[in-house]
Amino acid sequence: GEDVEQSLFLSVREGDSSVINCTYTDSSSTYLYWYKQEPGAGLQLLTYIFSNMDMKQDQRLTVLLNKKDKHLSLRIADTQTGDSAIYFCAEISNSGYALNFGKGTSLLVTP
Amino acid sequence: DSGVTQTPKHLITATGQRVTLRCSPRSGDLSVYWYQQSLDQGLQFLIQYYNGEERAKGNILERFSAQQFPDLHSELNLSSLELGDSALYFCASSVGGVSEQYFGPGTRLTVT
Repeated sequence: GEDVEQSLFLSVREGDSSVINCTYTDSSSTYLYWYKQEPGAGLQLLTYIFSNMDMKQDQRLTVLLNKKDKHLSLRIADTQTGDSAIYFCAEISNSGYALNFGKGTSLLVTP
Repeated sequence: DSGVTQTPKHLITATGQRVTLRCSPRSGDLSVYWYQQSLDQGLQFLIQYYNGEERAKGNILERFSAQQFPDLHSELNLSSLELGDSALYFCASSVGGVSEQYFGPGTRLTVT
C-alpha cells in the first residue's frame, strides 16, 4: 500500500520552534491535514492546506507545502509543554473520501 | 470538544464475542467515517457512510459491519472477535465528502 511518511519522534526545548515533516503519496491530493492527538484523547484537527497553496499561517502554526517533492511540514512557533502530543499528517485518499494517515510524530517539549 | 460523541468509552470482551460501537456525528454533518487505531497498523480507514448510504470502504474485515440510521448516528458491529481486534476505534464526521473530518474521543476495545 501507499504510505504517508513521518519521522517518529521529535524533542524540543520550550520556547523553541518545532518542525514536523511529512511526505505524502498522492500528487492529486486536494487537501492535506495536520491532526494532534494528546494521550488518551481523540484526534483534534489543527489545520489544513489546499493543494494550490504553498503556505498557510494560523497563529503559532505554519504549514508549508512543496507539491513537487510531495512534502508537507508543520512549524509550531514558541513551542509550549502543552504542545507535547502526537501529530499526524493526512491526505485525502485515492477514493476521495477517507483520510490516509501517517504513523504520527511524537513531539516532546522539555522545560 | 469536537461535537462527535462515541459510546462506550471502554469495552472489554472475550474472543468470539460480538460488540456494537455507537457514534453520533456533529449537528449538520451527513458523513460518518470509522477508523481503527492500533500500535502496529496506525490509523486505518474502515468505512464511510453519507446520509444513510455506504460511500466508501477501506480495510474493513468481513466480520465487521456498519450502518448509518435516519437520525444520522452510526453503529459499527464487530463479531467473532479476535485478540488482534483490540484497538481504539474512532468515528469522525464531516459535512460532506471531501471536507474537514472531526473526530470523536474513540472507543477503546480490549479483547481478552
